[in-house]
Amino acid sequence: EPEVTQTPSHQVTQMGQEVILRCVPISNHLYFYWYRQILGQKVEFLVSFYNNEISEKSEIFDDQFSVERPDGSNFTLKIRSTKLEDSAMYFCASSPRGGQFNEQFFGPGTRLTVL
Amino acid sequence: RKEVEQDPGPFNVPEGATVAFNCTYSNSASQSFFWYRQDCRKEPKLLMSVYSSGNEDGRFTAQLNRASQYISLLIRDSKLSDSATYLCVVTGYSSASKIIFGSGTRLSIRP
Repeated sequence: EPEVTQTPSHQVTQMGQEVILRCVPISNHLYFYWYRQILGQKVEFLVSFYNNEISEKSEIFDDQFSVERPDGSNFTLKIRSTKLEDSAMYFCASSPRGGQFNEQFFGPGTRLTVL
Repeated sequence: RKEVEQDPGPFNVPEGATVAFNCTYSNSASQSFFWYRQDCRKEPKLLMSVYSSGNEDGRFTAQLNRASQYISLLIRDSKLSDSATYLCVVTGYSSASKIIFGSGTRLSIRP
């Protein structure tokens, strides 16, 4: 069964450093998403991406964040200058072509720890 | 009012019991509704979509009440493996719409 993969599973970084989280969505999916979940809190939407551009983003997704689909398979989230409060689990998700019922399939997540 | 609100629980019920969760949402323009489950420190996994007419998948039944802006999930004959956090998810019309997760309801099934 096809699945969303994410690397690395755990990333430790120093405050102020740049990190890139990587995702490989399911191959025939067209819509891609990033979420974060701070430990003990709810899943929060960050951004959705379609046709090589951002479709929607939340207030969390400020200028420190960017997304890219550099080739036909990878989907990345970059945090330019990490802060302590960026420590969280980051989930990538993908969804098949459009429609009202946009079921999303989540990757296993990358745990980001900012020291 | 929170955009999506759930009773955090925990619900602690014996195996075989029937348990029901509710979720309310504030945006009347919301179009798509889902229940996901999340095991501890794992990714959310789709349990079922919620259709206006209500839908059933084995032991699980989901209902949508647009007038009152709530959705529900009923689990019958609960199993130990049903122990998880159940997340209510609400989205807009298109696949690019902002997606709102509830904080989740924790369910623990005891033998």
